[in-house]
Amino acid sequence: DTAVSQTPKYLVTQMGNDKSIKCEQNLGHDTMYWYKQDSKKFLKIMFSYNNKELIINETVPNRFSPKSPDKAHLNLHINSLELGDSAVYFCASSAPGGEKLFFGSGTQLSVL
Amino acid sequence: GQQVMQIPQYQHVQEGEDFTTYCNSSTTLSNIQWYKQRPGGHPVFLIQLVKSGEVKKQKRLTFQFGEAKKNSSLHITATQTTDVGTYFCVGGTSYGKLTFGQGTILTVHP
Repeated sequence: DTAVSQTPKYLVTQMGNDKSIKCEQNLGHDTMYWYKQDSKKFLKIMFSYNNKELIINETVPNRFSPKSPDKAHLNLHINSLELGDSAVYFCASSAPGGEKLFFGSGTQLSVL
Repeated sequence: GQQVMQIPQYQHVQEGEDFTTYCNSSTTLSNIQWYKQRPGGHPVFLIQLVKSGEVKKQKRLTFQFGEAKKNSSLHITATQTTDVGTYFCVGGTSYGKLTFGQGTILTVHP
């Protein structure tokens, strides 16, 4: 059983399109995150939700909108995709207190 | 804001050589975590250090947390090809904020 699962694994799309990435965790964690990893492997936090509430919103274009319908799910919707959005997006979760992160397998987004 | 600097960015070694990556935080940390990401994979938790001066070992991997809780290192003895990947340190604060270092990409030549 996968602890943190995200779909799709690959996403190839045209500039200007809107796309969503879904994430689900079955670990019972309260906190979920979205990270962006660029081609140099830098991992940058985008958003963090604690029990469905947004607690971290880094400097991310407002074309990116996270949605957490319940504490086990954190989806990421991206409007008007741009070339610079091409990256690997990782969902992660953690237990309270800054415990270790459990990552999903990533979504490789390619904007053409 | 809190910054965690990690060096080197890249390291190429011959199989059997040792490898070390270093992290320095701009502020005192509550804990430090280390993750490994295999090529094409996702980051996987390796260990967490919480005590000043703490040293932990996992087989050929040795992790250290500095006395001032502002720096840390990961040392791999006698690297193997299975050690390839990107190693990240993550600084944690007492209020739960996690800050990733830039990562060190390790290549091991057979």
